[in-house]
Amino acid sequence: EDQVTQSPEALRLQEGESSSLNCSYTVSGLRGLFWYRQDPGKGPEFLFTLYSAGEEKEKERLKATLTKKESFLHITAPKPEDSATYLCAVRNQAGTALIFGKGTTLSVSS
Amino acid sequence: EAQVTQNPRYLITVTGKKLTVTCSQNMNHEYMSWYRQDPGLGLRQIYYSMNVEVTDKGDVPEGYKVSRKEKRNFPLILESPSPNQTSLYFCASSGTGAGGANVLTFGAGSRLTVL
Repeated sequence: EDQVTQSPEALRLQEGESSSLNCSYTVSGLRGLFWYRQDPGKGPEFLFTLYSAGEEKEKERLKATLTKKESFLHITAPKPEDSATYLCAVRNQAGTALIFGKGTTLSVSS
Repeated sequence: EAQVTQNPRYLITVTGKKLTVTCSQNMNHEYMSWYRQDPGLGLRQIYYSMNVEVTDKGDVPEGYKVSRKEKRNFPLILESPSPNQTSLYFCASSGTGAGGANVLTFGAGSRLTVL
C-alpha cells in the first residue's frame, strides 16, 4: 500500500534556526514526490517535485532532497513568514492520485 | 490568472439537504480531483477524473457523486449530507504531461458544516 509518513507533526523554531522536516514514503516505483505549503484556511501551494534518489531542488530558504526511502525539506535561516504546514505527497502507482502525509506544522518566532 | 475556483467557500446546511460544490479550472487540464481534509487524517481523495466523461472513485467516495460533462468543470454532489461529511473540501487539477495526477493546482477550499 502506498503510504507517506511525515515527522515531526509540529516544529517550533526561532528565526534563523535552521532545521529539517522528514517525509518517509512507501510506493512501488516512485513516479514523483511532491512538497506543498499550506497556509491556514487556504489550499496547498506547490513547492517542489523530485523524481530520482539524489535529486535536490532549492527555492529561497527551502531545499528538498530525495533518497530511496525518504525526502527532507531543509529550511535554512527561517523567517516568521515561513510559518505554515508543509505537506509531502507521492504519486500512486496507477497515477490516479497524490497520496499525502499528514503534514508538519512549522512555527517560526522572531 | 491560472486558477481553480470553488464555490461556495463556506456552507452550513442540515442533514439530508442536497448540495453541490462547484469547481472550475481555466488551465485546460485533463485531470481533476476532489479531496477532503480532516484534522488528524490529512488529505484524502474522494473522486477523480482523467478526462471528460471519465470519473472514478478515490479512497473515500461514500456519500458523494461527481460528473465531468465539460473539461473545465467538476462538481461534487452530496445527495443526502450527513454530519460525518463536515469537512474542508479541495478541488485540484493537473495537466497530463506525465498522465493523470501530477503537479496539482488546488482551489482555495470549501468549508462545509452539516448539522
